[in-house]
Order: sequence, then C-alpha cells, then structure tokens
Amino acid sequence: SYVLTQPPSVSVAPGKTARITCGGNNIGSKSVHWYQQKPGQAPVLVIYYDSDRPSGIPERFSGSNSGNTATLTISRVEAGDEADYYCQVWDSSSDHKVFGTGTKVTVL
Amino acid sequence: QVQLQESGPGLVKPSGTLSLTCAVSGGSISSSNWWSWVRQPPGKGLEWIGEIYHSGSTNYNPSLKSRVTISVDKSKNQFSLKLSSVTAADTAVYYCARERTTVTTLWFDPWGQGTLVTVSS
Repeated sequence: SYVLTQPPSVSVAPGKTARITCGGNNIGSKSVHWYQQKPGQAPVLVIYYDSDRPSGIPERFSGSNSGNTATLTISRVEAGDEADYYCQVWDSSSDHKVFGTGTKVTVL
Repeated sequence: QVQLQESGPGLVKPSGTLSLTCAVSGGSISSSNWWSWVRQPPGKGLEWIGEIYHSGSTNYNPSLKSRVTISVDKSKNQFSLKLSSVTAADTAVYYCARERTTVTTLWFDPWGQGTLVTVSS
C-alpha cells in the first residue's frame, strides 16, 4: 500500500517560516491535500490540489509538490498555527485514501 | 454550508458492535458526494474506514472490510457506521466527513466534530 512519511515534529519561532514535508513514491504525480488539527478538534482542510487554499484559510499557508516530496509552507508563523498537520492523497491504483503520519508544529 | 454531526454510544464492550450515525445538515446527502468515516486512536494518526454514496454503493478499507458496514438513510439525511467484533484497538475518535472528488483526486471537507468511542468491559 502507498505510504506517506512526515517528520514527527517541526519547531519554529513566531514570524518565521515552517516547512512540513510529506514523502511518498512519485508523489508529484498525485494531488496532495493538507489538514490542520488543533488539540481536541477535528481536522480542517488548509490546502487542496497541492496548492489551493479553501476560503477562509490565510495566504500564509501554501503548498507545493514535486518528485517524491510535497511541502506545506506556513509563512509568518503565529502562535495559533500550533497544531498537528496531515497530508493526504488518493491512491487510484488501490482506491485507498491515505493519510500521512502527521507532523506536530510547535511555535517556540 | 454543510455540517456533520456524529452520535452514538461512547462505550462499547469487547466483541460487541460499534454503531455510530452521522447527521448531515445544510445540504442533501443525495448530492453528488461520497461520505466517509475516518478514525483516530488516542495520540495517533488518521485512518480511513470507508465511504458510501447515496445510492448505497460502498467502499471499505481492506484492513477493516470484514468487520465494517456503512449504510445510508436518505429520509433522515444521515449515514451510519457499524464495526463488529471490536477490541481495545478500535478505541478511537470517529469522524464523519464529506468527500470532494474529481476524476483524479479526492479530499475531505468538512468534517464532523468527532466522537470518542472506548472499547472496554
């Protein structure tokens, strides 16, 4: 089955840039979606189709995808961005809906 | 805008059956969307359980397929999850979510608030 690997944690100072990676075999050939999950809350979609933002998501959130790595970038990080982030793809060959292992973002 | 709300028992005995319902409001379950269940064990990541279309068509995660049944009740605008022969490993927060699909991909938006189900005697 298709596996998506994320770093367990990323730490970033307020105002700086956080980059969260999502590794998968030839992931650049798939569309990647990203979710933010704050403690005790449901996941919220922050990026879809690699780099599109749903309405209401700040422009500080952006995404890219190429080769074997997709990246979620959070610019000008704020304390409220502290959360777990998950990538997700649809593996059409198996019809599996696959989530990444998750990354905890800590704002220092 | 579409909103989802899970409901069901928060405690299930080992070997029993977990039963949850997801009520859809602000939209019709008969729209051109698939509807999914996703779970998250305490302190762990997300796992897709299965999906249903308003016609009743379903797809399940192969790792759970033998124990899962998802059904739809269009008259009540809701869909349901049953997971049989549960063990402590099935303890998790269970979410329902709407799928947004294209020919080449799909994502989940929005999600319900989630409901914790504990398997214990």
